[in-house]
Amino acid sequence: EIVLTQSPGTLSLSPGERATLSCRASQSVSSKSLTWYQQKPGQPPRLLIYGASTRATGIPDRFGGSGSGTDFTLTISRLEPEDFAVYYCQQCGTSPWTFGQGTKVEIK
Amino acid sequence: QVQLQESGPGLVKPSGTLSLTCDVSGGSVIGHIWWSWVRQPPGKGLEWIGETYPSGGTNYNPSLKSRVTISVDTSKNQFSLKVNSVTAADTAVYYCARLWSGSSYYFDSWGQGILVTVSS
Repeated sequence: EIVLTQSPGTLSLSPGERATLSCRASQSVSSKSLTWYQQKPGQPPRLLIYGASTRATGIPDRFGGSGSGTDFTLTISRLEPEDFAVYYCQQCGTSPWTFGQGTKVEIK
Repeated sequence: QVQLQESGPGLVKPSGTLSLTCDVSGGSVIGHIWWSWVRQPPGKGLEWIGETYPSGGTNYNPSLKSRVTISVDTSKNQFSLKVNSVTAADTAVYYCARLWSGSSYYFDSWGQGILVTVSS
């Protein structure tokens, strides 16, 4: 199975700062099957970015995705208070579909 | 916008069977869509369990395949999950989700989740 490794595990930043989250795959992932989700406590994951770089409906443009092959990045240009959450990358290119272990973005 | 809602027992005894249902509203289970189950142990990450296709096809995570059955009931517009021989390690929030498969592939709709505890 494809293992997705996210780094860092925790990112401590202040509102207004830029966040850069990494997702590295153990083998090449089709860009059309790489997705990012945001999850807050007690809530289901929320679709942020699909196809590695396309924002889902209603997602602010401060969220951006990039990458290809085995290296993908989620960038939040300026953190808003509501952005502090856990972020997961996920692939649906090769079964079994897998998720990264998550990156927690916390308030510094 | 399709909406998903999980239901089922919140407590299951060890060695028993976990059974959950996902009701789909605002859309039909029939179509070129895969319907999935994902779980999340308390304080941990997400694990894909498996999925079903309305025509009857299924795809399971090998780590759970021997214990899992996922099926769809088109007459009730719902799909279900059964996990046999459960242990404490199966304690988790269980989510149902829709896998959108067009030019990209992603889970675009999720249920709110249901906590299932395995305990005697």
